[in-house]
Amino acid sequence: QVQLQESGPRLVRPSQTLSLTCTVSGGPITSGTYYWTWIRQHPVKGLEWIGYMYSDGDTYYNPSLKSRSVISPDSSERKFSLTLTSVTAADTAVYYCARSNGATSGRGFQYWGPGIPVTVSS
Amino acid sequence: QSLLTQPPSASGTPGQTVTMSCSGSTSNIGENFVYWYQQLPGAAPKLLIYRNYYRHSEVPDRFSASKSGTSASLTINGLRFEDEADYFCATWDDGLRNWLFGGGTRLTVL
Repeated sequence: QVQLQESGPRLVRPSQTLSLTCTVSGGPITSGTYYWTWIRQHPVKGLEWIGYMYSDGDTYYNPSLKSRSVISPDSSERKFSLTLTSVTAADTAVYYCARSNGATSGRGFQYWGPGIPVTVSS
Repeated sequence: QSLLTQPPSASGTPGQTVTMSCSGSTSNIGENFVYWYQQLPGAAPKLLIYRNYYRHSEVPDRFSASKSGTSASLTINGLRFEDEADYFCATWDDGLRNWLFGGGTRLTVL
């Protein structure tokens, strides 16, 4: 049974760096053909895909966030993280980690974490 | 403003059938699979439908979906109070090289 859990600070100051971790149970993130994904949900703008990391470490990002985003694995093989630099109030959202089995045409984002609300404010 | 257009609200009474739409364009729905997610209040989205019309595991067969051209739809038969939630469509956009989500339809069961 795959379970994901987000963790990290819930308050970040403007211009600082947001760092979140997703802890995965049910197997190492390096096994299988999975895309370990970050998605966020703005209060008004709705759901926004941030990017994903493939099981082999390759990454792909939302073009509008690419310059500020890094998704990377943790040495434990049970975690992966999101780093978002130079945050502004527009980055205030609930952040979800998720898993899919295809980049653009798989079976969808099958597993999601419960989400972590992050506020950017001074 | 999302590139996938969904009506903001829908409603029905228990037992009724409700259909909600998702409209896109050639570069997204027209060329790629559509996915549907259900988000109950205070919870994370859950996958309902993948690749246009396949139900995810344990999704009741009351839920069905279809796609035609640049539009897709989700139908719920035998509406239940527990179906009250937000429903989002999603697809890949070949031009933007990005996953898109619709703005969501809030379903109210009266």
